[in-house]
Amino acid sequence: DAKTTQPTSMDCAEGRAANLPCNHSTISGNEYVYWYRQIHSQGPQYIIHGLKNNETNEMASLIITEDRKSSTLILPHATLRDTAVYYCIVRGGWGSSNTGKLIFGQGTTLQVKP
Amino acid sequence: DADVTQTPRNRITKTGKRIMLECSQTKGHDRMYWYRQDPGLGLRLIYYSFDVKDINKGEISDGYSVSRQAQAKFSLSLESAIPNQTALYFCATSRANTEAFFGQGTRLTVV
Repeated sequence: DAKTTQPTSMDCAEGRAANLPCNHSTISGNEYVYWYRQIHSQGPQYIIHGLKNNETNEMASLIITEDRKSSTLILPHATLRDTAVYYCIVRGGWGSSNTGKLIFGQGTTLQVKP
Repeated sequence: DADVTQTPRNRITKTGKRIMLECSQTKGHDRMYWYRQDPGLGLRLIYYSFDVKDINKGEISDGYSVSRQAQAKFSLSLESAIPNQTALYFCATSRANTEAFFGQGTRLTVV
């Protein structure tokens, strides 16, 4: 299974963009990058996912490098409610050994400050 | 009503007791998962099931067993609870290669 590496913690000023990096240098061609976040001890919440193209939804944008070895989650205007642990996960597509499984790492604790 | 419901939400049990945590979903997903989370750590996969007849061990299955009673129900059992199984447990569901939806968690304390 492809592993991910994220910084342990980051700070961001309220109203500014939060850019959360993730390294996944061993990612395979059919593996997707997923992002989840966990606020306090609630169940993780899906944010966004992508294969190789950049993606955007109402919550965030996902930028994947051309070689797919790293990605960045962007929260365009961070609010205090975005304070959470953010998990970057590589998940297999069809034919992959880890199809469907979500294996969590330690994640990045994002602290949004007033 | 929540799409993924876990019961109980909180439980205190004694060492050696058998306990079952239950998960039900209304999303019609075929895949279900059980995770545990220890303080300050990420989630670790215990068991997962891709359909009613397909059960697989995850990263940390020792001391746990599961039952997939129906597509919508996936139970996690601790046959003989021990204190180091004190943790927050999460159930999740998904379709193949789509995002997963998590329950609100069960906080289990083994004394």
